[in-house]
Amino acid sequence: GAGVSQSPSNKVTEKGKDVELRCDPISGHTALYWYRQSLGQGLEFLIYFQGNSAPDKSGLPSDRFSAERTGGSVSTLTIQRTQQEDSAVYLCASSSAGDYNEQFFGPGTRLTVL
Amino acid sequence: EDQVTQSPEALRLQEGESSSLNCSYTVSGLRGLFWYRQDPGKGPEFLFTLYSAGEEKEKERLKATLTKKESFLHITAPKPEDSATYLCAVKNQAGTALIFGKGTTLSVSS
Repeated sequence: GAGVSQSPSNKVTEKGKDVELRCDPISGHTALYWYRQSLGQGLEFLIYFQGNSAPDKSGLPSDRFSAERTGGSVSTLTIQRTQQEDSAVYLCASSSAGDYNEQFFGPGTRLTVL
Repeated sequence: EDQVTQSPEALRLQEGESSSLNCSYTVSGLRGLFWYRQDPGKGPEFLFTLYSAGEEKEKERLKATLTKKESFLHITAPKPEDSATYLCAVKNQAGTALIFGKGTTLSVSS
């Protein structure tokens, strides 16, 4: 079956512009996660959705970052007024409900802020 | 504080030379320890979930084991195609996110 998909695969933007990153989770997965991977930093959690609700937004680094999920499926991560330090790979993952269930990751969106 | 530490950061092996990667963790109430493989330019690929101390899981040349404080990923007779970064993670205390280590980058030469 289809895995997690993300678009675009690459995004180059200028400092101060807004960007939107999209994630299509595996069909039927109720949980969706966004992570960020920077060189030398490893994978950092950003936000967790259960259905359309986000009970844990603790990883969002500033109020320039926001995310939404609609129809219990597609999610969009928006970064406003991008800064150079926002350059990273943004990864989306999904899982079925349950504490121990593994998360399946998409290929990521590489964001470069000039 | 929930924490995951992996060692070594990098490991170079000759084809057929077996070795182990270490993952030490600190978390209140383990809800699974997860191993992933990541190739350059790709997202992490799920390998194993370990649920409790003493558990072992195998897949081809890989075997993952778990104790109360650490996990090992044993690689037996590796091949060049096993070259990748191996990531270890645990669920955070709230159960809402994975806490990842920084990974071990494995290079296997023929």
